[in-house]
Amino acid sequence: GENVEQHPSTLSVQEGDSAVIKCTYSDSASNYFPWYKQELGKRPQLIIDIRSNVGEKKDQRIAVTLNKTAKHFSLHITETQPEDSAVYFCAATLSQGTYKYIFGTGTRLKVLA
Amino acid sequence: DGGITQSPKYLFRKEGQNVTLSCEQNLNHDAMYWYRQDPGQGLRLIYYSQIVNDFQKGDIAEGYSVSREKKESFPLTVTSAQKNPTAFYLCASSGFPPETSTYGNTIYFGEGSWLTVV
Repeated sequence: GENVEQHPSTLSVQEGDSAVIKCTYSDSASNYFPWYKQELGKRPQLIIDIRSNVGEKKDQRIAVTLNKTAKHFSLHITETQPEDSAVYFCAATLSQGTYKYIFGTGTRLKVLA
Repeated sequence: DGGITQSPKYLFRKEGQNVTLSCEQNLNHDAMYWYRQDPGQGLRLIYYSQIVNDFQKGDIAEGYSVSREKKESFPLTVTSAQKNPTAFYLCASSGFPPETSTYGNTIYFGEGSWLTVV
């Protein structure tokens, strides 16, 4: 069935280092891949997204890459800061005609000062 | 994000009691969703609706019910059949096409409701 696998489940990095979170999706017709950041006790907030016709997108210290052939996409955070500490979720939409999103299981990122 | 309002923020349920969580959006989104999140866990889909008067079960629909009588509203009832309802409940909405954050159609979440069984 439809599935999005996310790795790692936890990630600790030193402040200033880079962090990479990877997701793999199963539905080859998926065409949109958003990433969300969730701080403790709060709602997930969209931080960056990418459509299937684009291979890479950047927004300041955050970037997302997409490999359609391999069916995986990654979140890259450079120059990490303590406020980047949170849980990050990837997601993928299913094929056209449905609004259903499939979420990954989340990655808890800790940025050590 | 500010266009999705959930209430109440905190709710306590007694054994055998049904409770209803409210979700209203003013984003003119077609689709609405309910997710459940247990502490330290991911998002699990309860129900979703793509149009008024229609909705589909998600992965964990047992013990829950919904209605979609208006485009703006998608209330969730946690019934007594849900034996372990203590969790953080998130309502969300998205427009068409479901992608395209540039035009505000991507999935956005409400602030969430904390439900505790007492």
